[in-house]
Amino acid sequence: GEDVEQSLFLSVREGDSSVINCTYTDSSSTYLYWYKQEPGAGLQLLTYIFSNMDMKQDQRLTVLLNKKDKHLSLRIADTQTGDSAIYFCAEIPFSGGYNKLIFGAGTRLAVHP
Amino acid sequence: NAGVTQTPKFRVLKTGQSMTLLCAQDMNHEYMYWYRQDPGMGLRLIHYSVGEGTTAKGEVPDGYNVSRLKKQNFLLGLESAAPSQTSVYFCASSLGPRAEAFFGQGTRLTVV
Repeated sequence: GEDVEQSLFLSVREGDSSVINCTYTDSSSTYLYWYKQEPGAGLQLLTYIFSNMDMKQDQRLTVLLNKKDKHLSLRIADTQTGDSAIYFCAEIPFSGGYNKLIFGAGTRLAVHP
Repeated sequence: NAGVTQTPKFRVLKTGQSMTLLCAQDMNHEYMYWYRQDPGMGLRLIHYSVGEGTTAKGEVPDGYNVSRLKKQNFLLGLESAAPSQTSVYFCASSLGPRAEAFFGQGTRLTVV
């Protein structure tokens, strides 16, 4: 199948680290993505990782990829109130001829003081 | 620099009515997508297009039709709206399948 699974909610205290997890089903997916959706807006690409990488770091963001378990995570260091949003994991599965961008259900991150 | 523009932004339809949602992009992108977003279900792909004149079914195509007569436009049609089609619809475009997808602001559709 093409299911991408995420937990729906995460609540963290401002200044702590947030870890958002995702599992995907297509082991042949070559690119995996994290998109961010702020209230009332469309999605924006946050970061991505190639399947031949284990980790990618970009300022406060760290993406970890475990291909064996088909598990992807996004860590946000020093989480701020402006990070409150819905975060979507996405893949481009082989089953779609690598043409379809498939999203998970999204994780709503709430940052509180 | 408009990016991806969706019209309309809001619409209320009666059951059985028809309507067309328009998506326009000015980035010369080949790929375009239509998604619907429902609480707890994330974004589900309705239809997509890999170039002018082409369309293909996504995960939830039933009840929808699409056309890509011009490269910059991707139209989503509902021939006979049903309450189950109440949702927020997003259009996106990208240069290619692995390139960054750019999203419109969404269309909130309510079918009563």
